Amino acid sequence: DIRMTQSPSTLSASVGDRVTITCRASQSISDSLAWYQQKPGKAPKLLIYRASSLESGVPSRFSGSASGTEFTVTINSLQPDDFATYYCQQYYSFSTFGQGTKVEI
Amino acid sequence: EVQLVESGGGLVQPGGSLRLSCAVSGFTFRNYWMHWVRQAPGKGPEWVSRVSSDGSIMNSADSVRGRFTSSRDNTQNTLYLQMNSMRAEDTAVYYCARGVGAAAYFDSWGQGILVTVSS
Repeated sequence: DIRMTQSPSTLSASVGDRVTITCRASQSISDSLAWYQQKPGKAPKLLIYRASSLESGVPSRFSGSASGTEFTVTINSLQPDDFATYYCQQYYSFSTFGQGTKVEI
Repeated sequence: EVQLVESGGGLVQPGGSLRLSCAVSGFTFRNYWMHWVRQAPGKGPEWVSRVSSDGSIMNSADSVRGRFTSSRDNTQNTLYLQMNSMRAEDTAVYYCARGVGAAAYFDSWGQGILVTVSS
């Protein structure tokens, strides 16, 4: 099974900050990596797919990148609506999610 | 508008069975692989099962293989998850999700439904 290790588990930030969340795969997954945002009591929402492609309707302050088995999502100029939990997901071989990063004030 | 609505959740005893349904609208259901994803309280999502667009292929995670089966009715635009021999560790919110491709990320999700396994 492919394991996804996400860091940090919690991130404290302020409105306007630039934040970066990292996800490392236990083996090569090409660019088969997606990022989701989840708010309490809601389903995850797709932000980025294929490591760096922005889902339609997602603000351009979100961006994704990849280097080997390490993947990052960056939020430029954090907005109040961005305080949430973020998950990475590999879909190279079935599907595995990271354990999540909570972005808090 | 794409909509996915789960139903059939609730409380079940260990060893019992439950069938979840997911009614979809707003897109051509028969063109998509569909998935079930669950999330235990305070945990990250866990992929559970998928079924191909025509229903001929079904795969499940190791944690549920042999106990859970996903299926679909393309005439009714409905996805199902049959859960048997349930365990306490199956307690979670269950989501149906639309997959983009067979090896999929999930671009649309239902609102989720709670399944509790307890005596």
